[in-house]
Amino acid sequence: EMQLVESGGGLVQPGGSLRLSCAASGFTFSSYEMNWVRQAPGKGLEWLSYISSGADHIYYADSVKGRFTISRDNAKNSLYLQMNSLRGEDTAVYYCVGYNTNWEGGWGQGTLVTVSS
Amino acid sequence: DIQMTQSPSSLSASVGDRITITCRASQDISNSLAWFQQRPGKVPQLLIFAASTLQSGVPSRFSGSGSGTDFTLTISSLQPEDVATYYCQRFNGAPLTFGGGTKVGIK
Repeated sequence: EMQLVESGGGLVQPGGSLRLSCAASGFTFSSYEMNWVRQAPGKGLEWLSYISSGADHIYYADSVKGRFTISRDNAKNSLYLQMNSLRGEDTAVYYCVGYNTNWEGGWGQGTLVTVSS
Repeated sequence: DIQMTQSPSSLSASVGDRITITCRASQDISNSLAWFQQRPGKVPQLLIFAASTLQSGVPSRFSGSGSGTDFTLTISSLQPEDVATYYCQRFNGAPLTFGGGTKVGIK
């Protein structure tokens, strides 16, 4: 069974940094396109970043471009999101999301990031 | 950037009713659209991809249609377990924008 488990969330001060990780298991991680999506409290879903299966294509939402960096290690079945220059509006649950070309896949349970002094 | 606009933002209907949610793209996205369901307190689940293909395991009362800029998600007979917020998402090209969501409730 496919599992995506996020970690690395927590409380950080404005201007600080965090690195989120997503551990994948139960599927061929290297065949999956991966994304980070967040949801602020009581708000809708916001796509943040995409990385192709081979990491040769990477995209970012304008809201995080230049501050966040997505990466993956297919040997370790892991996805990462390095978040710098964090702001209050980055407070949200961050989801790791993955699908293959047949649309098999799913979402992790999310990790909460709180940006506050 | 392509914007995705959903309507209505919320609706309330009776059990057994047919409901339709609309998603409009600001540019032609062909059939590159997915629909997700997020039940209260839960993680989003994929319902439909490629605008009209039902994900495995999703009840047949859900259907999707459309191409280009206008898309719809239809629930043919609303059930209590369908109470959720529904999101459309453009895929196949950045940004992979979500619509603002449609909150569906039961009267």
